[in-house]
Amino acid sequence: QSVLTQPPSVSGAPGQRVTISCTGSSSNIGAGYDVHWYQQLPGAAPKLVIYRNTNRPSGVPDRISGSKSGTSASLAITGLQAEDEADYYCQSYDSSLSGAGVFGTGTRVTVL
Amino acid sequence: QGQLAQSGGEVKKPGASVRVSCKASGYTFINYHIAWVRQAPGQGLEWMGRISTDNGNTYYAQKFQGRVTMTTDTSTTTAYMELRGLRSDDTAVYFCARATSSYEGDHFDNWGQGTLVTVSS
Repeated sequence: QSVLTQPPSVSGAPGQRVTISCTGSSSNIGAGYDVHWYQQLPGAAPKLVIYRNTNRPSGVPDRISGSKSGTSASLAITGLQAEDEADYYCQSYDSSLSGAGVFGTGTRVTVL
Repeated sequence: QGQLAQSGGEVKKPGASVRVSCKASGYTFINYHIAWVRQAPGQGLEWMGRISTDNGNTYYAQKFQGRVTMTTDTSTTTAYMELRGLRSDDTAVYFCARATSSYEGDHFDNWGQGTLVTVSS
């Protein structure tokens, strides 16, 4: 069971905006640790789309953006396209127990 | 940019061990660190641990301590993950991933294609 909670699914029509939340606690996001986001297409390895809360790797469209506030982070996709249909995971660090990297529970984005 | 190529799928019996390899190419191996992440069928991603490729220093998630060993061979630019005492709930796709630092919360900018390990009697 992950310490980072995401909604199981979000959906939107082409062109719309969707947001995915990643809710943590004072031992991870709330402690100031960075949040990263990955996109995973069916049957493929994850792909980094946002690192250190707001940064986009080269090649990731600026339709995808990240933010962080308090004990939560969010990923936003504007101008939704069919190619955005995938699973999305947040990632951070948790200082509880012995400390480790942690992933969110994952969110399926469906383009209607 | 670099590439990580993993070994092929494995089928193991409960109680056995498995070793998955991750061959790095196209970048300076010791300038990055390697982490291992697994994904059970239909489930989310799970962080297992990481190894510093320059000095072999490891950090394992508490859940896997005592059962997992991560190593590297700098001469062949290959990282290895061995998991012992396999159980049916270890059935998963195992990914290696590249990180720029040894910080356990660092992001992964490059991933292997994944290796399916099936544990079944």
